[in-house]
Amino acid sequence: GQQVMQIPQYQHVQEGEDFTTYCNSSTTLSNIQWYKQRPGGHPVFLIQLVKSGEVKKQKRLTFQFGEAKKNSSLHITATQTTDVGTYFCAGRGATDKLIFGTGTRLQVFP
Amino acid sequence: NAGVTQTPKFRVLKTGQSMTLLCAQDMNHEYMYWYRQDPGMGLRLIHYSVGEGTTAKGEVPDGYNVSRLKKQNFLLGLESAAPSQTSVYFCASSLTGNTEAFFGQGTRLTVV
Repeated sequence: GQQVMQIPQYQHVQEGEDFTTYCNSSTTLSNIQWYKQRPGGHPVFLIQLVKSGEVKKQKRLTFQFGEAKKNSSLHITATQTTDVGTYFCAGRGATDKLIFGTGTRLQVFP
Repeated sequence: NAGVTQTPKFRVLKTGQSMTLLCAQDMNHEYMYWYRQDPGMGLRLIHYSVGEGTTAKGEVPDGYNVSRLKKQNFLLGLESAAPSQTSVYFCASSLTGNTEAFFGQGTRLTVV
């Protein structure tokens, strides 16, 4: 079945440093979504990418969808303490299942 | 505007007991999902529904049953709870299969 892996599992950075998390699917995805979950909270939608090679930006966050539509990345420039949380990618393959990645937990030290 | 509401928020069960988790959404969404979240495992899809009266298995369906009798409600049942089902359960809904998912606040279930 469809599997979605993310690396790294954890990342600790100093405030102001950059951060990147990578998402890899075992199957081709129709789209990829990214979510953020604050500690003790629930996942909140950030963005959706649909097209092969698509790049989208939200302020300091840059999202990319791979050419083969099997991988994606989220890059945060100059992290802030408000960026703390777990970042998940989620994708759909040939079925209606929305499969989440394993997540990357980001800790930012001031 | 409530969005997605889960009931209850916390529950402790004894092994072998049964219970039902309720998820209600007021956004007229077609798709609804149940996930469980365990440390280091991310969110794993238990069951999902693409419309009223439909259900389908996700990644980890064993030990759970679901029903979607009304469009706004998606029920998750545990017939005979086991300690391995101790987890945080999240319900989510989306308008279609290609739109964002909205999550409930979660239910923390402990089976002793």
